Amino acid sequence: EDQVTQSPEALRLQEGESSSLNCSYTVSGLRGLFWYRQDPGKGPEFLFTLYSAGEEKEKERLKATLTKKESFLHITAPKPEDSATYLCAVQGGDYKLSFGAGTTVTVRA
Amino acid sequence: EPEVTQTPSHQVTQMGQEVILRCVPISNHLYFYWYRQILGQKVEFLVSFYNNEISEKSEIFDDQFSVERPDGSNFTLKIRSTKLEDSAMYFCASSVQFSNQPQHFGDGTRLSIL
Repeated sequence: EDQVTQSPEALRLQEGESSSLNCSYTVSGLRGLFWYRQDPGKGPEFLFTLYSAGEEKEKERLKATLTKKESFLHITAPKPEDSATYLCAVQGGDYKLSFGAGTTVTVRA
Repeated sequence: EPEVTQTPSHQVTQMGQEVILRCVPISNHLYFYWYRQILGQKVEFLVSFYNNEISEKSEIFDDQFSVERPDGSNFTLKIRSTKLEDSAMYFCASSVQFSNQPQHFGDGTRLSIL
C-alpha cells in the first residue's frame, strides 16, 4: 500500500523567513507526486506535479523538488497569504491519490 | 478558470437517512473521483469513475455507497442508510486522464449525521 508521510506537522514562520516542507513516500510504480494547497473549509488546490527524480517545478515563492524517496516544497521569503495546509499526494499503479496528513504553515507579518 | 462545483456546501441528515451529494466536474474532463476527509484526518480515496463505470474503489466504498453520472454534467455520490461515522467532508475531483495528470478538486460538501 502506498504511504505518504509529511513533516513537520506545523510550521510557524516570520514573513520573509524561508523554509522547507518534507514529503517522504513509498509507492509501487510512481506515476506522479502532487502538491496541493488547502485553505480552511476549502478543497485541495493543485500546485505542482513531479514525475521523476531530479525534477523541479516553481511557482512564485514555491519550489518543489523530487528524489526517489522524498519531495521537498521550499517556500522562499513567505508572505502571510502563503499561510495554508500543504498536502502531498502520490499516484501509483492503481491511479488513486494517496495523501499525506499535510503541513500547516502559518506566516506572521 | 474552470472549476469543479459541489452542492450542497453543508448537508445535515438524520442517521439512517439517504443523502445524495452532487458535483459538476470540469467540462472537458472524463475521469471523476470522490474522496472524503474526516475532521483532522487525511484525505482518503473512495472511488474513481470513467465511461459510466466504476474504475476503482477503496475498502471504504462498500454497498452503502453508489455513484452515478445521471446526465452529461453531473456526478453524484449516494450514501444509503447513513451512519454517524459518515460525517466528513466529501470532495469531488476530476481529471483529463487517469494517469500523470492532476486531479482538480471542488470545495467539498460537509456532511453532518445526527
